[in-house]
Amino acid sequence: DGGITQSPKYLFRKEGQNVTLSCEQNLNHDAMYWYRQDPGQGLRLIYYSQIVNDFQKGDIAEGYSVSREKKESFPLTVTSAQKNPTAFYLCASSPGRSSNQPQHFGDGTRLSIL
Amino acid sequence: QKEVEQNSGPLSVPEGAIASLNCTYSDRGSQSFFWYRQYSGKSPELIMFIYSNGDKEDGRFTAQLNKASQYVSLLIRDSQPSDSATYLCAVNLWGNAGNMLTFGGGTRLMVKP
Repeated sequence: DGGITQSPKYLFRKEGQNVTLSCEQNLNHDAMYWYRQDPGQGLRLIYYSQIVNDFQKGDIAEGYSVSREKKESFPLTVTSAQKNPTAFYLCASSPGRSSNQPQHFGDGTRLSIL
Repeated sequence: QKEVEQNSGPLSVPEGAIASLNCTYSDRGSQSFFWYRQYSGKSPELIMFIYSNGDKEDGRFTAQLNKASQYVSLLIRDSQPSDSATYLCAVNLWGNAGNMLTFGGGTRLMVKP
């Protein structure tokens, strides 16, 4: 079945540690996104990529990094510079650059600090 | 500042009633509007999208768009307890890159049996 797979489902980070969240899609979508959601809040955009080997900062990129070496994959690294990383992280994808195309989400990764 | 605004709720309706969820947005030139449903602890799922002024119906759901007044709404007819969730409005705001969405904070809906 086509879809977006995020792993792991739960992740714990120690002080000073970098952690990487995986996002893989088999929908042949060009565009991929990472959002952060804090309890009771909406989604805030961290990074997005509209094409392989290119990505742009979103509204809250500080303390995060991404890569887009393959169309199917858009991993997010939460670095030690992100002082408040506890949140629900959502990866999404959409077919291309048209404004009429909705984004579809993976099941998310819940990150907590140990 | 580009914004999408929703009342956080909770909006409480009895089972069988019509639930009306509203969303306003900042940029008159915005083109595409999406409603997502998010159950507690889960990821958002797309339930409706609308691009043109007027109403769009899909089963028990109706999306209404008024670009002149800059609001989009979602009506849920014959509300069921299983509709209890947070509903997120997302807008492709004017000036965003082609497929970028700005999300509202969501409205929590509670349908009471």
